[in-house]
Amino acid sequence: DAMVIQNPRYQVTQFGKPVTLSCSQTLNHNVMYWYQQKSSQAPKLLFHYYDKDFNNEADTPDNFQSRRPNTSFCFLDIRSPGLGDAAMYLCATSRGLIGTPNEQFFGPGTRLTVL
Amino acid sequence: AQSVAQPEDQVNVAEGNPLTVKCTYSVSGNPYLFWYVQYPNRGLQFLLKYITGDNLVKGSYGFEAEFNKSQTSFHLKKPSALVSDSALYFCAVTSWDTGNQFYFGTGTSLTVIP
Repeated sequence: DAMVIQNPRYQVTQFGKPVTLSCSQTLNHNVMYWYQQKSSQAPKLLFHYYDKDFNNEADTPDNFQSRRPNTSFCFLDIRSPGLGDAAMYLCATSRGLIGTPNEQFFGPGTRLTVL
Repeated sequence: AQSVAQPEDQVNVAEGNPLTVKCTYSVSGNPYLFWYVQYPNRGLQFLLKYITGDNLVKGSYGFEAEFNKSQTSFHLKKPSALVSDSALYFCAVTSWDTGNQFYFGTGTSLTVIP
């Protein structure tokens, strides 16, 4: 089945220790998104890629970086995690604004704990 | 500015009763509206969307939503609630003016009481 996969599902890191979260998709969608979601709040968009074009939200901290080496994969790098970065990180994909807007497909999320 | 409001943080309904989860939006351009459901420690699952056409949209698991342009609302409804419908529900909006960005509401926690 076509899907969005996130690894790992649970990640524990230490304060200040870099961490990378990964997302892959078999949907061949143009757009990939990274969201941060804290305790039952709305997902907060960090950035998104339309193909190779990177779009960073103005309020996304520099501590967060992203890479999209090909259509299928996208990575979220947190260079120096702080306690405030503990959250669920959601990856989503969509076909983008081709014709009419299409829904986003979400992965199961990675829950990040910072000790 | 683009935004979505879900005025109720929590909705409780008895099993078998109809349920409504409210959503209002503000967006430039024609709105495209979506509802998602989230179960604990899971990603968001798509329920339904309004793009154009009939104001009443039917989606997964017996849910439907009504688009009301004059009231800028897109309320989620179900005629008969199930205990398994208990979850967190998010409304989202996008438009051509927002590019590929979706704006989410803060979510409504639905509890269906047996």
